[in-house]
Amino acid sequence: AQSVSQHNHHVILSEAASLELGCNYSYGGTVNLFWYVQYPGQHLQLLLKYFSGDPLVKGIKGFEAEFIKSKFSFNLRKPSVQWSDTAEYFCAVMLSGTYKYIFGTGTRLKVLA
Amino acid sequence: DTAVSQTPKYLVTQMGNDKSIKCEQNLGHDTMYWYKQDSKKFLKIMFSYNNKELIINETVPNRFSPKSPDKAHLNLHINSLELGDSAVYFCASSPYSEKLFFGSGTQLSVL
Repeated sequence: AQSVSQHNHHVILSEAASLELGCNYSYGGTVNLFWYVQYPGQHLQLLLKYFSGDPLVKGIKGFEAEFIKSKFSFNLRKPSVQWSDTAEYFCAVMLSGTYKYIFGTGTRLKVLA
Repeated sequence: DTAVSQTPKYLVTQMGNDKSIKCEQNLGHDTMYWYKQDSKKFLKIMFSYNNKELIINETVPNRFSPKSPDKAHLNLHINSLELGDSAVYFCASSPYSEKLFFGSGTQLSVL
């Protein structure tokens, strides 16, 4: 069955530290890839997406992600986190040719001021 | 105007009751979804409709019944509520292959 794995469940960083959150998926076909963020008490919002082309994609708020097809990975990065980045981060995969979006288990990021 | 709106925002009810959650989107999208987010924040797809037709029906108890009267609305009816149904339920819509637009969620607490 298709699945999305996020290996870091809880991450605690100090402000200005660099961030990398891992995401791996298991599906042999073509996928569209997404990272969503959920701030405390809010709904999910899109950070960035990858459909095709340059495997390094840039999103909002200084986030970027790199698609490595050979590793089935789509890791999220930010060079310098801020306290306001404290949130839950979800990787999601949409299986091409379907309407099905599968989410990872989420990574809770806490940034200490 | 809110793009994807869900009502109610909070729902507290007793075990065994029947309840409904409503969702409406004004984005003109063809596809709508229901997701369940449990206490560990795991998001699990439940149902999806495309132009009023059911296209995704995951392994959800048949106490859960979605209804889409038109492509802008997707409601979720839950019969005989159980403690394990307590969660946050998110409605979402999407133009095909694009990102999901989420509602603000309905926090269901079953006592």
